[in-house]
Amino acid sequence: GAVVSQHPSRVICKSGTSVKIECRSLDFQATTMFWYRQFPKQSLMLMATSNEGSKATYEQGVEKDKFLINHASLTLSTLTVTSAHPEDSSFYICSARRPSTDTQYFGPGTRLTVL
Amino acid sequence: AQSVAQPEDQVNVAEGNPLTVKCTYSVSGNPYLFWYVQYPNRGLQFLLKYITGDNLVKGSYGFEAEFNKSQTSFHLKKPSALVSDSALYFCAVRDGGNTPLVFGKGTRLSVIA
Repeated sequence: GAVVSQHPSRVICKSGTSVKIECRSLDFQATTMFWYRQFPKQSLMLMATSNEGSKATYEQGVEKDKFLINHASLTLSTLTVTSAHPEDSSFYICSARRPSTDTQYFGPGTRLTVL
Repeated sequence: AQSVAQPEDQVNVAEGNPLTVKCTYSVSGNPYLFWYVQYPNRGLQFLLKYITGDNLVKGSYGFEAEFNKSQTSFHLKKPSALVSDSALYFCAVRDGGNTPLVFGKGTRLSVIA
């Protein structure tokens, strides 16, 4: 299957700081990437759809000014959690759609802990 | 809008026995159906998908799923369960086009030796 990487895998930060998470599709070009959030023992909640070269589409209830998404190239999307607070602590997972197979592949996730 | 239901939070099965993890869906157009598996503190691994063609789809690690249009179901199956199959399984659907996946709540599978 296709490979999607995420960095960092874990991050601990102080309240009020910003954290950037990178998502890369390593062996294919992805015009569309997705960012999900997963709470403990719950399903994945779609936060936003990231399209290369254009603005991200955010789901209802997701603050676009707090969760900044940039999809600068066909292999890289970044999620920046700005002015993080403890309630932003969660498991963030990115996904990239491989056009040739029309399948979404997922990164290993980033565990964010805000103190 | 599309939706997915996984009616079982937990499925327990003895090693060597067949397993089934249930999934039903709702879409307005043609469904694109997927199964993913998640191990603790990890991302999701793709298992199999149905977009078109044969209703019985075979995927990774010996898993298969059957698309049933009349029952709007896409149950995941494996003839003989392994302890290593114990994980969290997610069913997901897209309503064709360029829409994002919508996930079910997940089913935790425990295979007991």
